[in-house]
Amino acid sequence: NAGVMQNPRHLVRRRGQEARLRCSPMKGHSHVYWYRQLPEEGLKFMVYLQKENIIDESGMPKERFSAEFPKEGPSILRIQQVVRGDSAAYFCASSPGLAGVEQYFGPGTRLTVT
Amino acid sequence: KNQVEQSPQSLIILEGKNCTLQCNYTVSPFSNLRWYKQDTGRGPVSLTIMTFSENTKSNGRYTATLDADTKQSSLHITASQLSDSASYICVVTLANQAGTALIFGKGTTLSVSS
Repeated sequence: NAGVMQNPRHLVRRRGQEARLRCSPMKGHSHVYWYRQLPEEGLKFMVYLQKENIIDESGMPKERFSAEFPKEGPSILRIQQVVRGDSAAYFCASSPGLAGVEQYFGPGTRLTVT
Repeated sequence: KNQVEQSPQSLIILEGKNCTLQCNYTVSPFSNLRWYKQDTGRGPVSLTIMTFSENTKSNGRYTATLDADTKQSSLHITASQLSDSASYICVVTLANQAGTALIFGKGTTLSVSS
């Protein structure tokens, strides 16, 4: 039973490029959460999705960031026109039900913007 | 403001010794408190979860305590091993929330040396 999968594990982008981060939840999980961890900081919530729906995006910057979780395929976190401040580790977690129940985390994608 | 504060920021101990990590929180309404272990370059893995009515919870050599009155928690590690070297994160869950339910501390970095 594979855990939460994230790819790529490391991503380097130049300023102004687009970054696409993928997350495949655990089998049977239909809830996905994205978190960002800046250096020396704790994880911060970004967005919570169920299949084909964004439930809560209150932690996501209003511009350049978007997320989706299609009926088929992985969840995608997309960052357009990346800037140096976007450099961070992005973690995805999944759960079988509502927030507050156990969330299982993926290994993260480390984004470096040069 | 909902916050989770952890201390110490970092800790170095000898293999075989015990240690205790602290967590203070100002989160309301409270649902539960979790301790996660995060190895370098990996996602957080849950160690324990405690609800309001639970005072202590053990998982092998890890024992967590919770004082809901003073809003404090501790994680005690017994007979430390080299593999315990990691970041330990205290996470408090808000009740009645969706995606923004988890409030993360910055973590305590534990280094176990031989």
